[in-house]
Amino acid sequence: DTGVSQNPRHKITKRGQNVTFRCDPISEHNRLYWYRQTLGQGPEFLTYFQNEAQLEKSRLLSDRFSAERPKGSFSTLEIQRTEQGDSAMYLCASSLRGFPYGYTFGSGTRLTVV
Amino acid sequence: DQQVKQNSPSLSVQEGRISILNCDYTNSMFDYFLWYKKYPAEGPTFLISISSIKDKNEDGRFTVFLNKSAKHLSLHIVPSQPGDSAVYFCATQRGSNYKLTFGKGTLLTVNP
Repeated sequence: DTGVSQNPRHKITKRGQNVTFRCDPISEHNRLYWYRQTLGQGPEFLTYFQNEAQLEKSRLLSDRFSAERPKGSFSTLEIQRTEQGDSAMYLCASSLRGFPYGYTFGSGTRLTVV
Repeated sequence: DQQVKQNSPSLSVQEGRISILNCDYTNSMFDYFLWYKKYPAEGPTFLISISSIKDKNEDGRFTVFLNKSAKHLSLHIVPSQPGDSAVYFCATQRGSNYKLTFGKGTLLTVNP
């Protein structure tokens, strides 16, 4: 296992289009997280899954955003009707145990909305 | 309102010297404090953590100090190496909620 995998690495889309990102966590990890990082900021929490259940969603996750984790394996994050303000790095992370072990992050998907 | 603050956007040190990265937080209910390191085009990598019941945790060249009365956290790297050049994020966690709250990061540059 090579860690958390995110695809695509980069995505350029026109405003108003829909985009979908995929995250493949470390196989034995039951917890999966999505974060968003904009320029000059630290990562901001978007949502959290334990197995297939989505247990928490941030207020940052507007109605245009939806995340799924079918069968508790990979996860997808979809953004509908993209806006320029959605341009950011979208980071996925997974974990098996709680703190102090921390998460394992993927390399992220950089979204640019033009 | 930012709950975790890293007031120094950047820090430059000479190889072999000590690097000290600082972090302040506002919520006294945080249970764990973590440091992540991030290289360009990669995701953050977990570095070291400390529980709120401790005041120091050491792992090799990295030591994290926690001053609860001052709501202040620091990361010491000694000796600093050029490969340590990266952005360092302070993060906090509360209770059984595994959500992390990150600071804005500090860019550390270690000069040979």
